Amino acid sequence: EAQVTQNPRYLITVTGKKLTVTCSQNMNHEYMSWYRQDPGLGLRQIYYSMNVEVTDKGDVPEGYKVSRKEKRNFPLILESPSPNQTSLYFCASSIAGPRANVLTFGAGSRLTVL
Amino acid sequence: GENVEQHPSTLSVQEGDSAVIKCTYSDSASNYFPWYKQELGKRPQLIIDIRSNVGEKKDQRIAVTLNKTAKHFSLHITETQPEDSAVYFCAASKRGSGNTGKLIFGQGTTLQVKP
Repeated sequence: EAQVTQNPRYLITVTGKKLTVTCSQNMNHEYMSWYRQDPGLGLRQIYYSMNVEVTDKGDVPEGYKVSRKEKRNFPLILESPSPNQTSLYFCASSIAGPRANVLTFGAGSRLTVL
Repeated sequence: GENVEQHPSTLSVQEGDSAVIKCTYSDSASNYFPWYKQELGKRPQLIIDIRSNVGEKKDQRIAVTLNKTAKHFSLHITETQPEDSAVYFCAASKRGSGNTGKLIFGQGTTLQVKP
């Protein structure tokens, strides 16, 4: 089954404790991205990647890092989480070309930073 | 940068009535406008999209209209059913050269359909 898989789905952590949210897709998609969803703000892009070793900042990249060492994986790293990073995070992927804007989302990862 | 405004933030209708959600965008270069439905606790899923060379698109009970001049686009749901209850997001994007696959989302509309 074609899918985007995120882990963990739920995480409660404390300020400053490094964490990684993994994202993997099995559709051979070139494009991957991370969004955060907050009430009243919709979904905002954090980082995106157009292919292996090609990453760039989205609209709200502060406090986050990403890497794209393999085509299928795009982990989101919070080096020193803070309470304002409490949010619902979605990984998404899409195929390069005319349908690059047609996103397939993962199930979401709800992060709470105390 | 590009901005998408979505209204209303909440919408309550009786089953069988129609629902309309409106969005405006700021970047005249945007040319692709998808709508996503997010059921409670689930991921956003694409339900319909429209490209800038088309003024209207329908798929059974849902339709989307686009007014490029006014930079408005709207989602219309007819004969609403309880299973239409969800959060709906509009988005804007640019297709073509330099396309990074990025979507700019509206703030979301919580639709409640009362039986």
